[in-house]
Amino acid sequence: GENVEQHPSTLSVQEGDSAVIKCTYSDSASNYFPWYKQELGKRPQLIIDIRSNVGEKKDQRIAVTLNKTAKHFSLHITETQPEDSAVYFCLMMDSSYKLIFGSGTRLLVRP
Amino acid sequence: ETGVTQSPTHLIKTRGQQVTLRCSSQSGHNTVSWYQQALGQGPQFIFQYYREEENGRGNFPPRFSGLQFPNYSSELNVNALELDDSALYLCASNPLLRGSGNTIYFGEGSWLTVV
Repeated sequence: GENVEQHPSTLSVQEGDSAVIKCTYSDSASNYFPWYKQELGKRPQLIIDIRSNVGEKKDQRIAVTLNKTAKHFSLHITETQPEDSAVYFCLMMDSSYKLIFGSGTRLLVRP
Repeated sequence: ETGVTQSPTHLIKTRGQQVTLRCSSQSGHNTVSWYQQALGQGPQFIFQYYREEENGRGNFPPRFSGLQFPNYSSELNVNALELDDSALYLCASNPLLRGSGNTIYFGEGSWLTVV
């Protein structure tokens, strides 16, 4: 079946540094790629998404880039803050409209 | 606030029992999907309903079943509970099946513990 590979599984950065998380997918028909942040014990929350007709989208300190040819998309967080510490998931919607989660990246921002 | 509510928030069941988890979506959200998230893992797709019919299923046995109702609510039923069914169960809804860009909203989840 379709899948999404997410790397790295854990990421530790110093406050103020940038963090980059990358996902690679297999379904070339996918056209919607959201990123969700999940804090411990809470629901996943949408932080940014991108559609296949654009290559990059930015919202303040968060940006997502999409390379449809290479079938990968990345989350970029700049000027990281301790409250950015959480688990981040990339998702894609496969050709049967099923949401596929990446395996998650545990981000730790050290003060 | 996502407009997606789940109940109960926490429950404990005994192995072999049956459980029903509920989800209430926003009006107009005709697609609902359910996920199982074990501790420390990413959510795993269980199934999806569109206009009250199942239209996608993950790698879960038949003892996991669901229903979607005309009022945008849905249920996840699990029979013959096993210890490994202990997890956070998430419900997600979005306005259209062809969600090419429609935001998916998650409920807070139901924590199920099987003892």
